[in-house]
Amino acid sequence: DAGVIQSPRHEVTEMGQEVTLRCKPISGHDYLFWYRQTMMRGLELLIYFNNNVPIDDSGMPEDRFSAKMPNASFSTLKIQPSEPRDSAVYFCASSPQVSYGYTFGSGTRLTVV
Amino acid sequence: GQQLNQSPQSMFIQEGEDVSMNCTSSSIFNTWLWYKQEPGEGPVLLIALYKAGELTSNGRLTAQFGITRKDSFLNISASIPSDVGIYFCAGPPSSGNTGKLIFGQGTTLQVKP
Repeated sequence: DAGVIQSPRHEVTEMGQEVTLRCKPISGHDYLFWYRQTMMRGLELLIYFNNNVPIDDSGMPEDRFSAKMPNASFSTLKIQPSEPRDSAVYFCASSPQVSYGYTFGSGTRLTVV
Repeated sequence: GQQLNQSPQSMFIQEGEDVSMNCTSSSIFNTWLWYKQEPGEGPVLLIALYKAGELTSNGRLTAQFGITRKDSFLNISASIPSDVGIYFCAGPPSSGNTGKLIFGQGTTLQVKP
């Protein structure tokens, strides 16, 4: 099992540009989560999906952020337009149904300059 | 909303020493999880606790689910340099069986060889 796969590992972009982060969850996991980690705020849940359906997006900072899960093996988190305050490490995690043992990906470190 | 408070915020210890950290909440949790995050990686699940009073070990790590259901502790015996990282406690909110987790702010552990 390759685990949760995120791409890219690092992204540096200019303010105003569109950024797309990608995630491939573990096969068979019904839940997919997007988290953001910063020194100031720690791990913040942005949005999560169950069986490809968004369940709770209350953590999405603002309309500039959007997430999709078109199928069970792929999800994207998009920021448009990006701002310097979006700089953080973004993690994707997945878990089997009703099991709280998340498996996290290695994260995408986003820097917006 | 529910919060998890971890203490201490950081620890700097000598190799070979035992470590103890804890996690508390003002509300009840029915599951406690402990994760470790190494530099440049996502958090990895160490121990899961599902019953009040439960004491579970994983190698040199021991964790307990508090009787009041409002706290948990993690002990590491005979620390080694590879124990360095951020340790997070986590638990599902009492709002229901949603698959969602709340994370504490983490305890950063540094081990001096």
